[in-house]
Amino acid sequence: DTGVSQNPRHKITKRGQNVTFRCDPISEHNRLYWYRQTLGQGPEFLTYFQNEAQLEKSRLLSDRFSAERPKGSFSTLEIQRTEQGDSAMYLCASSLATGRETQYFGPGTRLLVL
Amino acid sequence: GQQLNQSPQSMFIQEGEDVSMNCTSSSIFNTWLWYKQDPGEGPVLLIALYKAGELTSNGRLTAQFGITRKDSFLNISASIPSDVGIYFCAGRAQGAQKLVFGQGTRLTINP
Repeated sequence: DTGVSQNPRHKITKRGQNVTFRCDPISEHNRLYWYRQTLGQGPEFLTYFQNEAQLEKSRLLSDRFSAERPKGSFSTLEIQRTEQGDSAMYLCASSLATGRETQYFGPGTRLLVL
Repeated sequence: GQQLNQSPQSMFIQEGEDVSMNCTSSSIFNTWLWYKQDPGEGPVLLIALYKAGELTSNGRLTAQFGITRKDSFLNISASIPSDVGIYFCAGRAQGAQKLVFGQGTRLTINP
């Protein structure tokens, strides 16, 4: 399967714990995006990378959230001191920077904070 | 955060019927995308539109990029059970990389 992959698919944690999610983009894609989706809503943008550079961060991305893409390939999203309000589906997407850029999404990581 | 206005929010139809849904924005977009999402999965791209007035088909699906660049439409002809799911529109403004999504249209089909 050459699509976007995300791990884990599900994560249950207790409030106050740290969690880390991983995203592996489509291999030739140089842009990688993180979105968050809560129940009944469309995905909302969190941040994106072009190669290893993090070029934009949403105001939704509080200082408890950090994302990295150290070698311009896979990316990690870490949430520190999780809160119940962090419960959501975290989606990763990747794209190739062209004039007709299209973002392809992974299956998501569903986080439940108890 | 900013979201597009997508309607209807839900649809209950009979198998074989045609479906229409639309998305509007207060601002101009250079790209419109339509995705379908099944429960517990990520959105899957259906159709991408890059030019105002563009009409593009993918099998039984047809989407149009509105002339004003502030709206888009998706039609599904002769619906089948596997069309059940949530359909999202998404737009990208000029110079931006992020997508802005609608709230989704939940499609339910009665056999």
